[in-house]
Amino acid sequence: EVQLLDSGGDLVQPGGSLRLSCAASGFTFSTYGMSWVRQAPGKGLEWVSSISPSGGGTYYADSVKGRFTISRDNSMNTLYLQTNSLGADDTAVYYCATGYRSVGGYWGQGTLVTVSS
Amino acid sequence: DVVMTQSPLSLPVTLGQPASISCTSSLSLVHSDGNTYLNWFQQRPGQSPRRLVYKVSNRDSGVPDRFSGSGSGTDFTLKISRVEAEDVGVYYCMQGTHWPRTFGQGTKVEIK
Repeated sequence: EVQLLDSGGDLVQPGGSLRLSCAASGFTFSTYGMSWVRQAPGKGLEWVSSISPSGGGTYYADSVKGRFTISRDNSMNTLYLQTNSLGADDTAVYYCATGYRSVGGYWGQGTLVTVSS
Repeated sequence: DVVMTQSPLSLPVTLGQPASISCTSSLSLVHSDGNTYLNWFQQRPGQSPRRLVYKVSNRDSGVPDRFSGSGSGTDFTLKISRVEAEDVGVYYCMQGTHWPRTFGQGTKVEIK
């Protein structure tokens, strides 16, 4: 059974940082592109970032470029999102998902990032 | 960026009746590899999104056959042949052809 377990969300002050993780199981992680998608409270879905299966290709939304870094550890079957210089607009549930073209065959349960003083 | 425009944004439907959601992209979604990366998602209240359809018309495993996707180029449609109570939620289209990936605004399906 495919499982994606998101973690790392927390309450953080403006300007702070968090590292989000997504632990994958039940499929050959190293052969899948992966993505992060977020959803602000009461809002729609927003694509944040994607990474190729090898990790050699990374892609970002303009709203996070230069502040967020996506990475993966294929030996640990884990996807990461390092988030820096967080602002109120980054408050959202962050989901990891499989794929980076046909995104979203599988989704994590989401992890909540709240940016507030 | 490719803008994905859904209509309607709110869709009250009667149980057992059909429903249709339109999604239009500002740029053709035909990729240089020949595929069209247009996906449809359902998000039930309080749940993670779930993909229903990928590459325009391919239903994901476990998705009821009352859901169908169609379209080409810039115009796409998700149809529900007979709406059931469990279909209540928000539906999103998303393009996976161009960077950055972009979602439609979402269509809220509710029962009349």
